[in-house]
Amino acid sequence: SQTIHQWPATLVQPVGSPLSLECTVEGTSNPNLYWYRQAAGRGLQLLFYSVGIGQISSEVPQNLSASRPQDRQFILSSKKLLLSDSGFYLCAWSSGANVLTFGAGSRLTVL
Amino acid sequence: GDSVTQMEGPVTLSEEAFLTINCTYTATGYPSLFWYVQYPGEGLQLLLKATKADDKGSNKGFEATYRKETTSFHLEKGSVQVSDSAVYFCALRSGNTGGFKTIFGAGTRLFVKA
Repeated sequence: SQTIHQWPATLVQPVGSPLSLECTVEGTSNPNLYWYRQAAGRGLQLLFYSVGIGQISSEVPQNLSASRPQDRQFILSSKKLLLSDSGFYLCAWSSGANVLTFGAGSRLTVL
Repeated sequence: GDSVTQMEGPVTLSEEAFLTINCTYTATGYPSLFWYVQYPGEGLQLLLKATKADDKGSNKGFEATYRKETTSFHLEKGSVQVSDSAVYFCALRSGNTGGFKTIFGAGTRLFVKA
């Protein structure tokens, strides 16, 4: 069966520090991969999606970036965090079934 | 562009009450429609889906019918339980972007009291 792992689960970082959130999927090949952000009291905002290794589409211009170095690995990064980057980050994958399967999320607090 | 609008919460109900969470959408073409649920501290999980007009998705006592004429996909449950307390997201996925993007509503928080 397919599983998705996301880490770290919780992160507290100072303003201006770097960020790396990692997501891996097991049990499937060539998944579509996504990063969403859920700000407090708000819905989900699509940040990036990828349909293959090295292929990244950005939905929202910001100081975040994403990379897909391997087929089932998706990384969200920042060189310098802002206060507004705080939120709940969700990785997800899908195949042709159109259904998204989400990881457990990473809660980022920028102080 | 495509969008999803759902009723604002929070919604507070007593156990065994009837639940309706309204959802309407704007999309070109024929999107697939979804309801996802998020329990406290967790990621989202699929609750139900419908892929074409007049389809009814159902799961765990929840139902939603794809109404193209009113562009709606309202979520209903006849008798809620305390364990249904969560945030519910309506979502659509259209073919306009190659079917790669799912657009979510803002979410509706449901509290069920014993």
